[in-house]
Formats: sequence, structure tokens, C-alpha cells
Amino acid sequence: TQLLEQSPQFLSIQEGENLTVYCNSSSVFSSLQWYRQEPGEGPVLLVTVVTGGEVKKLKRLTFQFGDARKDSSLHITAAQPGDTGLYLCAGPRSGGGNKLTFGTGTQLKVEL
Amino acid sequence: GAVVSQHPSWVICKSGTSVKIECRSLDFQATTMFWYRQFPKQSLMLMATSNEGSKATYEQGVEKDKFLINHASLTLSTLTVTSAHPEDSSFYICSAHRPVGWTDTQYFGPGTRLTVL
Repeated sequence: TQLLEQSPQFLSIQEGENLTVYCNSSSVFSSLQWYRQEPGEGPVLLVTVVTGGEVKKLKRLTFQFGDARKDSSLHITAAQPGDTGLYLCAGPRSGGGNKLTFGTGTQLKVEL
Repeated sequence: GAVVSQHPSWVICKSGTSVKIECRSLDFQATTMFWYRQFPKQSLMLMATSNEGSKATYEQGVEKDKFLINHASLTLSTLTVTSAHPEDSSFYICSAHRPVGWTDTQYFGPGTRLTVL
């Protein structure tokens, strides 16, 4: 069974602080995706990383895929209240069928 | 960008009634759609895979007779919660699969909040 464990589970910080969210597995993934979900809405895709060691930047968000393709991290610089939400990593499930395995989720709250 | 809609966005029903939720891909065709369930502050749990023109496949532990799925066209999948009970109250989210390069990309609907009284 492919599991994606995220840490921390909850994070409450002040505006302007930096933070890192981790997504770890004992399984190798061909790619990993990061989503952000706001209350009462569906997840929105932020990025897909496909190459071991890959780093992608999206404004203040930096995503990294581990060299062994078993883990990923999301770093947010100078967090803003608009970054508040549930962050989910996800990877393709083995066996095909285009299914995704979702991480356990990280609930982020950025306060003024 | 790829857009997926869900209807209704929220529904309240009495225990024992059935509720139908629609999922539409608005600007692309999707042979595969997925239905998820999400409890407050938790991750998404895959319920079933909806395949256009064939029967849905259900994840282990999901009752297929309770959660009826119909993928009638390349842009529409429906989930019917039959004989709903309070424990079925949840946030139901659909997604539509769209190949982007060689990665598996799912585009998610905005979700449907079901409350069973």
C-alpha cells in the first residue's frame, strides 16, 4: 500500500513567517502533485513534479521532489493570510487506472 | 484551464431519501471521473472510479448499492446516495481525469456538502 504521510498535520503561523510542509513515503512515485484546498471548495492543483531532485517555484512557493522520488516538500516564504488552507500532496497509485493516492494533509492557518 | 462543475453545491435531505449529485467537465471530455468523500479537516478518500460506458469500480469498503454511479456521457457523471442516513453527511468531491503530457492530472469540482437530517 502506498502511503503519503504529511507533516506537520496542523500549522498556525503569523503573517510574514516561512514554513515547510513535508510529504513522505516509503514508496517511489513517478510524480507528485501538490494541491491547496480552501474550506467548502475542491482542491486546486498547484504543481506537478516529475524528476527526482526537481525544484519548481510558484511565486513564494517552492516545491522540491526528493532525489529518490519518495518524498517532496513545499516551502512558503513570507506567508500571507491568503495562503491559509489545506495542503495536499498526491501521487499516482500503482496499478494504473489513473487513480491518485492523497497525502494525509496539512492544515495551514496564517494569521495577521 | 480545465473546469469541472458540481451540482448542487449543498443539499439537505431527510433520512431515507435519495440524493443525486452531478459532476460535469465543462471544457473537455473525460472518460474517467472519480468520486471522493472528505470529512472535516481530513484528506480526500477515494470512493469509486466512474468510467464512461461501463460500470463504476468501487474502493474496498464502499457499498456500491448505496452509492450509485452513472457515467452517461463523456462530460457527465452522477453519484446517487440512496436511502441516505446521517452518517452519510459529508463533503463529496468529484474529479475528471485529463492527460497532461504523461502525468495523471485530475481536475476537481467545487464539492457538494450533503447534510442528512
